Amino acid sequence: QSVLTQPPSVSGAPGQRVTISCTGSSSNIGAGYDVHWYQQLPGTAPKLLIYGNSNRPAGVPDRFSGSKSGTSASLAITGLQAEDEADYYCQSYDSSLGVFGGGTKLTVL
Amino acid sequence: QVQLQESGPGLVKPSQTLSLTCTVSGGSISSGDYYWSWIRQPPGKGLEWIGYIYYSGSTYYNPSLKSRVTISVDTSKNQFSLKLSSVTAADTAVYYCARDVDTAIGGWFDPWGQGTLVTVSS
Repeated sequence: QSVLTQPPSVSGAPGQRVTISCTGSSSNIGAGYDVHWYQQLPGTAPKLLIYGNSNRPAGVPDRFSGSKSGTSASLAITGLQAEDEADYYCQSYDSSLGVFGGGTKLTVL
Repeated sequence: QVQLQESGPGLVKPSQTLSLTCTVSGGSISSGDYYWSWIRQPPGKGLEWIGYIYYSGSTYYNPSLKSRVTISVDTSKNQFSLKLSSVTAADTAVYYCARDVDTAIGGWFDPWGQGTLVTVSS
């Protein structure tokens, strides 16, 4: 049972927009800790996708965006592409302990 | 740019100690700008943060593993290491090392090593 809750899977057709939610509580996201997102392509290490709730590292397309409100955060992907098919993880802190969501598998139909 | 590489045995017997090393290149652990973390991922499952170390040697461990974990640093070799004692099959996982960009409101991990699979089996 992960501290942060994500849907196990989402799907969308090429070109569509999908969102992935990350729900926490008053001891983590709701306590003011930032939320970060990672993309894990099959057989590879996670890669930072969004940091500080809504910031993109250099090289990450602007099709990816993040937001945070209250005890939850969301990752949005617009203009879905086949290469976006991957697992996505949110991450925050809870009482100084790094915590992750359980991960969401994105399928591009 | 900074790169991290894990190394160590891929097979460990139950009740023994798992030992891994992460070598950092393209940047100095001693810069003091970052923490250095270990994270693991059991096959087909999610990510679990194990703990971090600062170049000075100060550490912080996940309470769920604290009794079995030791993270150390060797600044002369630009490496940090993980030891996990009394392993069981539940410790079978891909182990990643990562740079921890710590902030007052919770940092992030970037970059990550490629990961190394450690299997616990007799």
